[in-house]
Amino acid sequence: GAVVSQHPSWVICKSGTSVKIECRSLDFQATTMFWYRQFPKQSLMLMATSNEGSKATYEQGVEKDKFLINHASLTLSTLTVTSAHPEDSSFYICSARQRGLASTDTQYFGPGTRLTVL
Amino acid sequence: AQSVAQPEDQVNVAEGNPLTVKCTYSVSGNPYLFWYVQYPNRGLQFLLKYITGDNLVKGSYGFEAEFNKSQTSFHLKKPSALVSDSALYFCAVRDIYNQGGKLIFGQGTELSVKP
Repeated sequence: GAVVSQHPSWVICKSGTSVKIECRSLDFQATTMFWYRQFPKQSLMLMATSNEGSKATYEQGVEKDKFLINHASLTLSTLTVTSAHPEDSSFYICSARQRGLASTDTQYFGPGTRLTVL
Repeated sequence: AQSVAQPEDQVNVAEGNPLTVKCTYSVSGNPYLFWYVQYPNRGLQFLLKYITGDNLVKGSYGFEAEFNKSQTSFHLKKPSALVSDSALYFCAVRDIYNQGGKLIFGQGTELSVKP
């Protein structure tokens, strides 16, 4: 199956700093990538949808200036948490969808990034 | 609006017994349904999907799911559970009315398989 990688797998940072998380589709081109946030033992909360070469679409309640998303190529999307605070500590998961029919194709997920803000 | 529900937070099964993880859906139009599994501190792994065709869908690791239109259900099943199947399972539906075609997830069901 298709492989999606994330880097780093975990990161600890001080409050006020910015953290960048990379999401790559390794063996396919992804016109659309998704960024999720997950709290322990809970479901995934979609933060934003990014399409290659255009601005990301953010879900209601997600601050676009705080969670910067860039999807510069068909294999790479980045999420930058700006001025991180302890409440931003979470498990962030990206997902990529192969080019093709949007309704029937499969989304493949990265392994996630554990962010801890001290 | 598209939605899925997983009525059980946790399912406990003895190894070797059949398992079922329940999912019901509510959609406008044709449903595109998915099952994913998540192991601790990992991303989601795709198990199977229903788009059209046979109501019984076979997926990875011996799992299968039965699409039932009259009951609006898409339960995940496995004939003989393994301890290694213990994980968090998510049912999802594709929001075809959203331009990005985002997935809408259920709340998840924790499966525990005891030896």
